[in-house]
Amino acid sequence: RKEVEQDPGPFNVPEGATVAFNCTYSNSASQSFFWYRQDCRKEPKLLMSVYSSGNEDGRFTAQLNRASQYISLLIRDSKLSDSATYLCVVTTQSGTYKYIFGTGTRLKVLA
Amino acid sequence: EAQVTQNPRYLITVTGKKLTVTCSQNMNHEYMSWYRQDPGLGLRQIYYSMNVEVTDKGDVPEGYKVSRKEKRNFPLILESPSPNQTSLYFCASSPFLGTQYFGPGTRLTVL
Repeated sequence: RKEVEQDPGPFNVPEGATVAFNCTYSNSASQSFFWYRQDCRKEPKLLMSVYSSGNEDGRFTAQLNRASQYISLLIRDSKLSDSATYLCVVTTQSGTYKYIFGTGTRLKVLA
Repeated sequence: EAQVTQNPRYLITVTGKKLTVTCSQNMNHEYMSWYRQDPGLGLRQIYYSMNVEVTDKGDVPEGYKVSRKEKRNFPLILESPSPNQTSLYFCASSPFLGTQYFGPGTRLTVL
C-alpha cells in the first residue's frame, strides 16, 4: 500500500463548478500536511498547508481528518487557470524526516 | 528574491559518465532534499539533509550521492549514470518539515 494515495483523475469540470479531492495517508505519525499545485512538468508550488482545524484561502478549503487519516481539498467556482495537478504531501518524523508525495490528481477546468 | 536554483536545466549524457547537478538556496533553510519525478510514480525523495554535514537516504537513493558542505548548497552526484536514471529532478529547501520551495527542475536523459 502506498504511503500517500490520491485518485489520479483526470477530473474534468466546467468553469464555475465545485470540485473536491481526497488524499489518504497510511502513517499515523505523520506530522505536517500540504497541498501543492504542479503545472505541466514545472516545479510544484505550495497551494496551502493543512491544519487540524481546517483552513480556507479564497476559493480553496483544506481539511484534515487525523482519525480517518485523510486530507481533502475543495475548490469552489473553478477557473480555467485552476487546471493543474494537485499533489498531496505529508511529512514523517518517526526515525526519518521525509516528505511523502502522492502521485497527484489532475484537474481540467473546461470552458 | 527568495529562490532555489538548479543547474543545468537540461542534460543529455551517456551511461557511465559522472555528472553533478547543483542546487543552491538563498533562504537560509536547514532542510534540503532531492526528488525525482517519473510518470505514474510521482515525486520520490532521493536524499535529504537536515543541516550542514547531515544527510540521509530518502526512498530511492541507489545510484546517487549528495554532500552538504555549506548550508546553501546541496549538489546531487551521479557517479555512473544509467538509463534508468533518466528523469526530471527537483531540488527543494525548507525550514525543518515546513513549506518546501522547489527549484525549476533538471531534465536528465542518460543514453
